[in-house]
Amino acid sequence: QKEVEQDPGPLSVPEGAIVSLNCTYSNSAFQYFMWYRQYSRKGPELLMYTYSSGNKEDGRFTAQVDKSSKYISLFIRDSQPSDSATYLCAIPGGGSNYKLTFGKGTLLTVNP
Amino acid sequence: EAGVAQSPRYKIIEKRQSVAFWCNPISGHATLYWYQQILGQGPKLLIQFQNNGVVDDSQLPKDRFSAERLKGVDSTLKIQPAKLEDSAVYLCASSLGYGNQPQHFGDGTRLSIL
Repeated sequence: QKEVEQDPGPLSVPEGAIVSLNCTYSNSAFQYFMWYRQYSRKGPELLMYTYSSGNKEDGRFTAQVDKSSKYISLFIRDSQPSDSATYLCAIPGGGSNYKLTFGKGTLLTVNP
Repeated sequence: EAGVAQSPRYKIIEKRQSVAFWCNPISGHATLYWYQQILGQGPKLLIQFQNNGVVDDSQLPKDRFSAERLKGVDSTLKIQPAKLEDSAVYLCASSLGYGNQPQHFGDGTRLSIL
């Protein structure tokens, strides 16, 4: 079983839709969870950073962590064409260097 | 604040040739990372530096890949000789300190091996 698994997509939605992006992880010791957004031919940029279980909201974005199910989600409300990108979940692993393990990414297209 | 700079943006070489990538991290960032991102995959860490010392190179194919970070600032990643499976985007990232710090990525070098 891989450490981090992500719904592969691709996902295509109309403008204004609510988008749900999901990852599962295997190691119950993971405590920090991140979502990166990567536009085409660009490097990933940190979108959301959460610790432990619960929800964290930032504008139209909500990150949700369910540690009992080892499941993390990113919700995008009122999606815009500018949200079209690949979304990557990333989890700092164990060990002293907090090495990031990324999911494969979900390609999202928001159609005007 | 200037971001992470990488060059070149694109490189095409034939297999068995050598290639080098350069990275200039954000000023003041002590930790530097090189990632390999194969098409359709998430980035995979190749090597992590703390200042000019190596923290983690467990996934670096050391028979063909090498990296250095002189004076704790700029870094170069080299592949010699290149194989077809090395076709990927090579991303450099930096973070302020050691441990669980947000990583800031450059736009990468897209390498194609013919």
